Amino acid sequence: DAGVIQSPRHEVTEMGQEVTLRCKPISGHDYLFWYRQTMMRGLELLIYFNNNVPIDDSGMPEDRFSAKMPNASFSTLKIQPSEPRDSAVYFCASSFGWSEETQYFGPGTRLLVL
Amino acid sequence: AQSVSQHNHHVILSEAASLELGCNYSYGGTVNLFWYVQYPGQHLQLLLKYFSGDPLVKGIKGFEAEFIKSKFSFNLRKPSVQWSDTAEYFCAVNAQNSGYSTLTFGKGTMLLVSP
Repeated sequence: DAGVIQSPRHEVTEMGQEVTLRCKPISGHDYLFWYRQTMMRGLELLIYFNNNVPIDDSGMPEDRFSAKMPNASFSTLKIQPSEPRDSAVYFCASSFGWSEETQYFGPGTRLLVL
Repeated sequence: AQSVSQHNHHVILSEAASLELGCNYSYGGTVNLFWYVQYPGQHLQLLLKYFSGDPLVKGIKGFEAEFIKSKFSFNLRKPSVQWSDTAEYFCAVNAQNSGYSTLTFGKGTMLLVSP
């Protein structure tokens, strides 16, 4: 398997623009997680899905953030409108089951909002 | 809610020095514990994990961690570090059968190994 795939790897945009980040989990994994990593706050869980259904979105910072998982092999994280403080690395991870199971991380999308 | 505390934000060592990175968690029930590593410019990778059995867990690249339940700790150790161990290390905890099904990460410890 190719592992968790994220696109784009880098995104530079201007404040106010819409940003869409994409993730393809490992085939067969039933959990998908979106994380944000910043110097100030470390690694934060934003939202996670189980079998394509959002389970906990309490980590989503604001209504400007939304995430979808239309099928088992694809998820998006959207920021609209984007702000400079959204600049961070966004990681997607997937796992088969939870609790004891290892989460496999994608390479991340480095987002810079000017 | 569970939380994870990593004692040091930055650690600087010379090659061949011994390493111990502290990790404490707060949760009263049974936990699964993980150490992830993030090499410069790369994504997080699993280093080792504990969920039952022998509290001394051996991982990849010579790393090990010891789960001490009475101290709520899961410290990472390596007897002799190499320059290639330069990376950021994250401790994480997942509570078993608690209704929580997410990994809570510590803030990370940046390890710099000088040659």
